[in-house]
Amino acid sequence: EPEVTQTPSHQVTQMGQEVILRCVPISNHLYFYWYRQILGQKVEFLVSFYNNEISEKSEIFDDQFSVERPDGSNFTLKIRSTKLEDSAMYFCASSEGPRLGGFFGSGTQLSVL
Amino acid sequence: EDKVVQSPLSLVVHEGDTVTLNCSYEVTNFRSLLWYKQEKKAPTFLFMLTSSGIEKKSGRLSSILDKKELFSILNITATQTGDSAIYLCAVVRDTGNQFYFGTGTSLTVIP
Repeated sequence: EPEVTQTPSHQVTQMGQEVILRCVPISNHLYFYWYRQILGQKVEFLVSFYNNEISEKSEIFDDQFSVERPDGSNFTLKIRSTKLEDSAMYFCASSEGPRLGGFFGSGTQLSVL
Repeated sequence: EDKVVQSPLSLVVHEGDTVTLNCSYEVTNFRSLLWYKQEKKAPTFLFMLTSSGIEKKSGRLSSILDKKELFSILNITATQTGDSAIYLCAVVRDTGNQFYFGTGTSLTVIP
């Protein structure tokens, strides 16, 4: 069964460092998303990406964040200068079309020390 | 402000029981409501509901949407320990791709 793959599963970094979280969406999907879930809180939308550009982003997705699809398969989330409050589980998701039920990856647990 | 509220926050039942999980929403330009099951990490998609009154069913799970009263329920019959998980409700608007999630209902099924 096709799945969304995320790497690494766990990332520990020092405050102020840059991190790149990687995702391989399902191959025939066209819409890609990043969400995060701080421990004990709800899943929060960060950004959606379609046709090689951001289609929507939330207030959380400020200038510290960027997304890229560097090749035909990978989809990355970069956090330029991490803060303690960036510690969370980051989920990548993809879907065939807009506003459809997305398939989620198993997440990257980011810990900022 | 758009809101998605789930209840109860947590629930403990015995195997074989039937449970009903609730999700109410206040979202402008509503398009669809989705249910997910989150076990260890990744939410897995269960249902997408767009029309009122039409039940979606998958095995022991079923769900229905009421667009007039702005809520949905997820029913699980004959619960099993494998149903233990957090059940998430999310709403998407007609415009944009953002999914608004509720805080989830934590279901524990004990043998």
